[in-house]
Amino acid sequence: DQQVKQNSPSLSVQEGRISILNCDYTNSMFDYFLWYKKYPAEGPTFLISISSIKDKNEDGRFTVFLNKSAKHLSLHIVPSQPGDSAVYFCAALLQGANDMRFGAGTRLTVKP
Amino acid sequence: EPEVTQTPSHQVTQMGQEVILRCVPISNHLYFYWYRQILGQKVEFLVSFYNNEISEKSEIFDDQFSVERPDGSNFTLKIRSTKLEDSAMYFCASSGVQETQYFGPGTRLLVL
Repeated sequence: DQQVKQNSPSLSVQEGRISILNCDYTNSMFDYFLWYKKYPAEGPTFLISISSIKDKNEDGRFTVFLNKSAKHLSLHIVPSQPGDSAVYFCAALLQGANDMRFGAGTRLTVKP
Repeated sequence: EPEVTQTPSHQVTQMGQEVILRCVPISNHLYFYWYRQILGQKVEFLVSFYNNEISEKSEIFDDQFSVERPDGSNFTLKIRSTKLEDSAMYFCASSGVQETQYFGPGTRLLVL
């Protein structure tokens, strides 16, 4: 099941710079997208979401951009902090369905 | 802040034994989910539960699996006869009327 893809398994950025995490999806019926952050031995923690009727949602240092025509979304973290180091999962939902589809995750490392 | 809790944090069992994984969802949430993550793989949807019945399930959720909400607070996942390949992290999640699902810390199941 490759409906949600995160093609970069890892990303390393310097503290204070921007982190950009990318996600692609194949099912055009997805209408709600979420980003989760996961530390080792913990459950995914909800970060930010976006509905398909929007193209941008911002919450503090985190901004999610959605490009429906390209079936692409991205998470921007600025400025990046060492505490942001974790695995980031993109997830997608069909309206009315509950089975959230996850990407494989991108491990972000923010270097001091 | 309300959170999803799961017990036990770790479970070791012999192949063929039954296990019950327990979850306490966020108290005013209506939808409940189980996901699993096999080591090194993506988070996979197992089942969703609403109004005391399964609303969706994946192909992973075969007859060996069952879910139950035995009282007003707990949500359980039972694996009747565990197999080696059931070894994984199992995450419970819950959501209210919105789509955002909030995850518990997970139970690490090891089948020997």
